[in-house]
Amino acid sequence: AQSVTQLDSHVSVSEGTPVLLRCNYSSSYSPSLFWYVQHPNKGLQLLLKYTSAATLVKGINGFEAEFKKSETSFHLTKPSAHMSDAAEYFCVVSGFNNNDMRFGAGTRLTVKP
Amino acid sequence: KAGVTQTPRYLIKTRGQQVTLSCSPISGHRSVSWYQQTPGQGLQFLFEYFSETQRNKGNFPGRFSGRQFSNSRSEMNVSTLELGDSALYLCASSLGVEGHGYTFGSGTRLTVV
Repeated sequence: AQSVTQLDSHVSVSEGTPVLLRCNYSSSYSPSLFWYVQHPNKGLQLLLKYTSAATLVKGINGFEAEFKKSETSFHLTKPSAHMSDAAEYFCVVSGFNNNDMRFGAGTRLTVKP
Repeated sequence: KAGVTQTPRYLIKTRGQQVTLSCSPISGHRSVSWYQQTPGQGLQFLFEYFSETQRNKGNFPGRFSGRQFSNSRSEMNVSTLELGDSALYLCASSLGVEGHGYTFGSGTRLTVV
């Protein structure tokens, strides 16, 4: 069985400051991990994915995430927040054949001017 | 390249009625998954279809059903609607292989009155 825990339900940052959204995972085998973003009344957009290649994964819009097996973490970061980054972010773990995707509860990111 | 298309975008139904939602995946994608998103429960997995076969199923009652056609388009049906079925229903398509993320549609907002 596998699961993800997003450690913060809400994160608030000022524009131009760094973003850190935390995610811990649990998996009985080498997982595939993803981060998705959802803007209000929209579907989910894939930000980045980890699939056992490089542990530091770069995604769209300046986001990146580092896979740390020893800490079972896959935290999402961005050096400088932009107002347009305000959205809900989901950490996702999937198993073999992608047929068992588990979503975290989501982290709502607020960006203050 | 067209994205995942869900129709209709918005739907209002009465308790006891049934509803059918449609999802057209990205061309070449053979896997289609359905999710229910509500403020209280977050994103919950309904089922996944791959090459016209249901490959995985979440923990929803039998009132929720789906199917996939030979062109990979998928439909989801909910019978005997209840007020609690009001939600955003998201469809996602994928190649269906390990590590390949899902592309989500914009969803169908179902309101049951």
